[in-house]
Amino acid sequence: DAKTTQPPSMDCAEGRAANLPCNHSTISGNEYVYWYRQIHSQGPQYIIHGLKNNETNEMASLIITEDRKSSTLILPHATLRDTAVYYCIVRPSDDYKLSFGAGTTVTVRA
Amino acid sequence: EPEVTQTPSHQVTQMGQEVILRCVPISNHLYFYWYRQILGQKVEFLVSFYNNEISEKSEIFDDQFSVERPDGSNFTLKIRSTKLEDSAMYFCASREGLNSGNTIYFGEGSWLTVV
Repeated sequence: DAKTTQPPSMDCAEGRAANLPCNHSTISGNEYVYWYRQIHSQGPQYIIHGLKNNETNEMASLIITEDRKSSTLILPHATLRDTAVYYCIVRPSDDYKLSFGAGTTVTVRA
Repeated sequence: EPEVTQTPSHQVTQMGQEVILRCVPISNHLYFYWYRQILGQKVEFLVSFYNNEISEKSEIFDDQFSVERPDGSNFTLKIRSTKLEDSAMYFCASREGLNSGNTIYFGEGSWLTVV
C-alpha cells in the first residue's frame, strides 16, 4: 500500500541541480516526509525530512507544497557519488516503521 | 559521525544452519530495528525492539527469527534454521527516541547467502 509515487528513474548532469519529485496526495496532517537514498546495496542513508516547512541541510533541500500533497528533493550540485536509489517515505508521527517503495534510480552522468 | 555497525558483512551458510547477525547501534540510541532486502526487491521491515522487548514485528518475522540485546552494546538477529529464501541483505537500524531524535539510521548491512 504505497503512500508515495516516484518516477522510476531519472538522469542528471554532474554539477547541475537534481530535482526529485514525490507525490503523496493522501498524506495526513501528522505524517512526515522522509527521504533516504541507497547507494548500490549499501544501507539506506538518511537525507532529510520535513512536516510542513521547507527544509535544508548540508546534503539537500526539501520543498513541500502548501497542500502537502507533493514534495521535491533537491540535490543542489549533483556529483557522480550521488548516483543511487532515492526513496520518498511518508511516516506517521507515532509509527516509526519505514515503508520503502521502489524509489527513483538517479544516475548522475559526467 | 556515530554510525551503526554490522558484522559480518557477508556470510554464507548451509540450509538448516543457525545464523547470528550482529549489530552495534549508535551508542545513545534506545530503539533498534532489523530490515531486510532480498536481491532486486524492496527494503522490508522485520522487527523493532525497545526496552529489551519486541515492540512490533512483521509477518516475515516468524518463529525462526529472534532478536536479542545480550549486553549494553550489541543487538543480534538470529535465524534458527535458515532456508534458501532467507538469502538477503539484512540491515540493522537505530534511533535515539528522545525529543527530536526520531530519525532512523541504518548500518551497511550483512549479506546472507544460504546454499
